[in-house]
Amino acid sequence: DAGITQSPRHKVTETGTPVTLRCHQTENHRYMYWYRQDPGHGLRLIHYSYGVKDTDKGEVSDGYSVSRSKTEDFLLTLESATSSQTSVYFCAISSGHIMNTEAFFGQGTRLTVV
Amino acid sequence: KNQVEQSPQSLIILEGKNCTLQCNYTVSPFSNLRWYKQDTGRGPVSLTIMTFSENTKSNGRYTATLDADTKQSSLHITASQLSDSASYICVVSAVLTGGGNKLTFGTGTQLKVEL
Repeated sequence: DAGITQSPRHKVTETGTPVTLRCHQTENHRYMYWYRQDPGHGLRLIHYSYGVKDTDKGEVSDGYSVSRSKTEDFLLTLESATSSQTSVYFCAISSGHIMNTEAFFGQGTRLTVV
Repeated sequence: KNQVEQSPQSLIILEGKNCTLQCNYTVSPFSNLRWYKQDTGRGPVSLTIMTFSENTKSNGRYTATLDADTKQSSLHITASQLSDSASYICVVSAVLTGGGNKLTFGTGTQLKVEL
């Protein structure tokens, strides 16, 4: 899977608790992305990073924050989890901007907020 | 609003048969169109990427076509195998009005290949 590891793969958490998902890559790609996938919706971009400490919002960023302190790690944090954040989360990486460059996806993290 | 619509939503075919999946998009201006395969419980994997100037692109038994005039793409699978059972996702890359850019994902066609 193109050297991308997401952790954890599955998590169940309670409403109101903070949650952090980790994406680790071994490809040294500049760009990293967090998407969520829900039934009836295509994948939607939450946040992305275009370099260490350089991040920007996607189309569904409310309730999420990200950090990238090293090239290989991109963290997604739900400050106070809500049931609407129950989803499958995918990390993706690309060497250039995803608009024009091949993107590689991780295996996903299934998050359930109860 | 940019949209990518795929049909059918689901499809069942017998092993060895061919099938064609459709993708219609309203995204404009268009940069490129991609097809991904997503196995259950896994992330999407790229099959093809086509720019607006390309009409067809093949990857083994997978052939994608693109008609930028009618904003339609299709993915043809030849001699299907059980391992082709997956969701196939059409993704369009476009420049947004007012600047910026975006990948718009379709909701996928769920293909099941049976013996």
